[in-house]
Amino acid sequence: RKEVEQDPGPFNVPEGATVAFNCTYSNSASQSFFWYRQDCRKEPKLLMSVYSSGNEDGRFTAQLNRASQYISLLIRDSKLSDSATYLCVGGILTGGGNKLTFGTGTQLKVEL
Amino acid sequence: TAGITQAPTSQILAAGRSMTLRCTQDMRHNAMYWYRQDLGLGLRLIHYSNTAGTTGKGEVPDGYSVSRANTDDFPLTLASAVPSQTSVYFCASSREAYNEQFFGPGTRLTVL
Repeated sequence: RKEVEQDPGPFNVPEGATVAFNCTYSNSASQSFFWYRQDCRKEPKLLMSVYSSGNEDGRFTAQLNRASQYISLLIRDSKLSDSATYLCVGGILTGGGNKLTFGTGTQLKVEL
Repeated sequence: TAGITQAPTSQILAAGRSMTLRCTQDMRHNAMYWYRQDLGLGLRLIHYSNTAGTTGKGEVPDGYSVSRANTDDFPLTLASAVPSQTSVYFCASSREAYNEQFFGPGTRLTVL
């Protein structure tokens, strides 16, 4: 079983729609969580950190459920420019630093 | 601000040859990382450095070496390239080992 699992999609949604992605993690010792966005053939870019109480940044809302070991990303009022792959990331702080484990990504396509 | 730069952008390399991928950051981040990204496998950590003068092995370190002589530079060396090292290589950095990571633009390496 992968440490971080995501539905690869693609999720095809119309502009203006609300879309939600879930991600599960298997290591209960995971302490930090992030969502990154990656455009085709580009580097991953940090979208937002995920806090235990949930957090919002404009149209984006991230939630963490430690009991069920999943995190979610909600995108409201989707824009064409939101089309990308969204990477779920879990981190474990070890003596060697923060070991991040990346999911393989969920592809989002926002259409007219 | 340049952030993180990587060189070369892309390279075709004959099997058995050596190569050094360069990574430089100007953010005075203490921690730096090398990942490879392969289709269906996501980002996997090769080596990391929590601070200048120290390095550690990640998930897939075999066939790669790194050095961290100063804060800004973190080169990745392939001593004798093999076709399975064909991948996209991303360098990343974070202020400290437990902070969010920021990625460079990547190097596309093809080993024939």
